[in-house]
Amino acid sequence: ILNVEQSPQSLHVQEGDSTNFTCSFPSSNFYALHWYRWETAKSPEALFVMTLNGDEKKKGRISATLNTKEGYSYLYIKGSQPEDSATYLCASPDTGTASKLTFGTGTRLQVTL
Amino acid sequence: DGGITQSPKYLFRKEGQNVTLSCEQNLNHDAMYWYRQDPGQGLRLIYYSQIVNDFQKGDIAEGYSVSREKKESFPLTVTSAQKNPTAFYLCASSTPDRGLNNSPLHFGNGTRLTVT
Repeated sequence: ILNVEQSPQSLHVQEGDSTNFTCSFPSSNFYALHWYRWETAKSPEALFVMTLNGDEKKKGRISATLNTKEGYSYLYIKGSQPEDSATYLCASPDTGTASKLTFGTGTRLQVTL
Repeated sequence: DGGITQSPKYLFRKEGQNVTLSCEQNLNHDAMYWYRQDPGQGLRLIYYSQIVNDFQKGDIAEGYSVSREKKESFPLTVTSAQKNPTAFYLCASSTPDRGLNNSPLHFGNGTRLTVT
């Protein structure tokens, strides 16, 4: 089983703060790195699928970077808003067939006024 | 609108009973997946299917069974052999022609199963 780790486990910031969290994964036989946002009472929603070393993707105030050589990805949120409160999950396809994803335990973000 | 429908949202069963969770999608996706979530743990893969009439065990398949008779449907049965069935279950789908290297998972809203 692939080992995908996320840190921190939880984060509490104030509205307007910028924040970031980390996903680490094995750098050997890398295929891709997925980021999802999971709001309470909703289904997880895909944010990014990243494949290239050095890749940077952006969606509104959220951006992600990827370092496949050292096996980590950062997710950044600029100017956090209460609606950003959610659990952020990262995942990577298995190294064999890339037919299934292994998820990290997630970072739970709470943004308060 | 296309999407994945899981039903019911909440399910209660007595220990020793089998129970089937429904998952239907109208996204025309070939691949479907069942994940389980427990507090403090990441989503863990139970079973997945990349094509009709074919499915593979995931990382925690013991005590579960699935069928894939139609492209749109991938029901999960939690049998009495599953030692800790109480959990939140998520169904997902994707397009395997592009693979998980390029395509994300699309998730349903989940079913919370409580077995007492």
